[in-house]
Amino acid sequence: SQQGEEDPQALSIQEGENATMNCSYKTSINNLQWYRQNSGRGLVHLILIRSNEREKHSGRLRVTLDTSKKSSSLLITASRAADTASYFCATKNYGNNRLAFGKGNQVVVIP
Amino acid sequence: NAGVTQTPKFQVLKTGQSMTLQCAQDMNHNSMYWYRQDPGMGLRLIYYSASEGTTDKGEVPNGYNVSRLNKREFSLRLESAAPSQTSVYFCASRAETGLAGGSDTQYFGPGTRLTVL
Repeated sequence: SQQGEEDPQALSIQEGENATMNCSYKTSINNLQWYRQNSGRGLVHLILIRSNEREKHSGRLRVTLDTSKKSSSLLITASRAADTASYFCATKNYGNNRLAFGKGNQVVVIP
Repeated sequence: NAGVTQTPKFQVLKTGQSMTLQCAQDMNHNSMYWYRQDPGMGLRLIYYSASEGTTDKGEVPNGYNVSRLNKREFSLRLESAAPSQTSVYFCASRAETGLAGGSDTQYFGPGTRLTVL
């Protein structure tokens, strides 16, 4: 069943601004992942954070995980027009090989 | 490496027709997945295969069958298509944890856009 829930659903920002999106989940997880999907394309993995980690960076991406609140956030700093895409969080539970995806955030970066 | 490939890219079917969506990966991954993506619904898992010769139902398996033909290929079949199966279908494969340089992430194909009239 769907576990990740992103908030907000749609975000429109100016190029150079930061974009933040949140994800909540319901059960204990092994890891949480963020994916990007450009229009008409498949999903591309961005970053993975494990349940024993609190923060992780990759280039202009920063992801945090708060297991006590069962939530994660993805920050994209100094956004670019090329960051325009949908962003999905996905959680992996212990003991299975599946990911549960959220409904996605649509981010539009205006040049 | 081509990664994950899917055929066809687009397909239009009439209600009741059958078809098979093909997926192949060249990354030597054990696990493969089929998802459908509908507006506002995110991705929902249809079937997955943890290894060659095994398949398991996901969240929305009704109306679909799968075949893990070999380690590379994982096909999805619609025996009698219905308008409710109009969707974008994605295949993915997964690198397992524990392997040298491996991770737990999934790699997606470009998708098949299916319309059932």
